Amino acid sequence: QVQLQESGPGLVKPSQTLSLTCTVSGDSISSGSYYWSWIRRPAGKGLQWIGRIYTGGSTDYNPSLKSRVTISVDTSKNQFSLNLRSVTAADTAMYYCARFAGTVVTPFHFDYWGQGTLVTVSS
Amino acid sequence: DIQMTQSPSSLSASVGDRVTITCRASQSITTYLNWYQQKPGRAPKLLIYAASSLQSGVPSRFSGSGSGTDFTLTISSLQPEDFATYYCQQSYNLVTFGGGTKVEIK
Repeated sequence: QVQLQESGPGLVKPSQTLSLTCTVSGDSISSGSYYWSWIRRPAGKGLQWIGRIYTGGSTDYNPSLKSRVTISVDTSKNQFSLNLRSVTAADTAMYYCARFAGTVVTPFHFDYWGQGTLVTVSS
Repeated sequence: DIQMTQSPSSLSASVGDRVTITCRASQSITTYLNWYQQKPGRAPKLLIYAASSLQSGVPSRFSGSGSGTDFTLTISSLQPEDFATYYCQQSYNLVTFGGGTKVEIK
């Protein structure tokens, strides 16, 4: 059973960098054809996709966040990470990591999720 | 960017009701459409992938249909545990979620 767990500071000051890590267990992050993704949900709002990193290391980002986001992977620790720069109160949200799985015949979908971690941006 | 529009944004229904939620894409996404259920304090859960394929372990009262730009999630007989927020999501070009539909008790 694949499990994902987010970790990182719950409070970040405005203008600083939000850094989160997702630890994957039950599978090797470097095996298979998966994208490892970050998604967030601001309070009272819907889900917003932040970006993803492929097993091979290539990345894609939400165009609205692209200038501030970096996603990286550490295969030795079976982890992937999110850095979101120059944060404001609008970045306050529940942050989730998730596995994005699919094949040439099955469209990609989020099949495993972490439980989420709340990040508040405030001075 | 592909925009996903869900309707309604919320609805009230009773146990046993048939519930239908729609999702419209701003351009054709063929069947690259997934549905998720999210309950308060929980991570989203995959219900339907590829527009109409039921995820393993999901009750058969959930079904999905559609292709191109218009999609539907149907709950044939609403159960107490189905009160939640539902999201559609496209994976045709990057990823976009719909705004969500909150299903509340009538």
